[in-house]
Amino acid sequence: KAGVTQTPRYLIKTRGQQVTLSCSPISGHRSVSWYQQTPGQGLQFLFEYFSETQRNKGNFPGRFSGRQFSNSRSEMNVSTLELGDSALYLCASSLGAGVHTEAFFGQGTRLTVV
Amino acid sequence: ILNVEQSPQSLHVQEGDSTNFTCSFPSSNFYALHWYRWETAKSPEALFVMTLNGDEKKKGRISATLNTKEGYSYLYIKGSQPEDSATYLCAFGGATNKLIFGTGTLLAVQP
Repeated sequence: KAGVTQTPRYLIKTRGQQVTLSCSPISGHRSVSWYQQTPGQGLQFLFEYFSETQRNKGNFPGRFSGRQFSNSRSEMNVSTLELGDSALYLCASSLGAGVHTEAFFGQGTRLTVV
Repeated sequence: ILNVEQSPQSLHVQEGDSTNFTCSFPSSNFYALHWYRWETAKSPEALFVMTLNGDEKKKGRISATLNTKEGYSYLYIKGSQPEDSATYLCAFGGATNKLIFGTGTLLAVQP
């Protein structure tokens, strides 16, 4: 069974640009969550999607957005990039929505903003 | 602001030592507590999802306990091996229905 796949693995962008990250969940998983990790911080929750609907959102500015497609694949978009957006972005898929089910993580996309 | 604290931040032990770390979380509106192991250059991997006060879970040499009334969970590793070297993360799930992660405990096991 294939795991969670994130693409690209590494990305370098310039301030002001926008970026789209992709996450393909484990087959049969309908929930996808996104997290940001910066040095010294725990994983910060960005948002959760279930069956193409955003169920939950973290405390991030509106420049961060996402969506989920009918095949459960999810994309995350960050517009008008800032230096502080440099981070590891992880997505996780689960069978069900919410916090009671085990999350399966991808290897992440390392975004560097210069 | 909901806070999840893990201690210690890092730990160096010898192969064969047993060790334990702590995760502290809010004692109200508890839904679930997760433990993950994150090895360098890999994805975080779930160890346990615990939902009931008094829960005890075990997977091989690793076990965890949960006290939701006082807001803490312990993770124990018996007879540490070099392959146990990783960052161990806990995450609290409460009424917001989001997982709030601690910053982790970095374990290094020396052969």
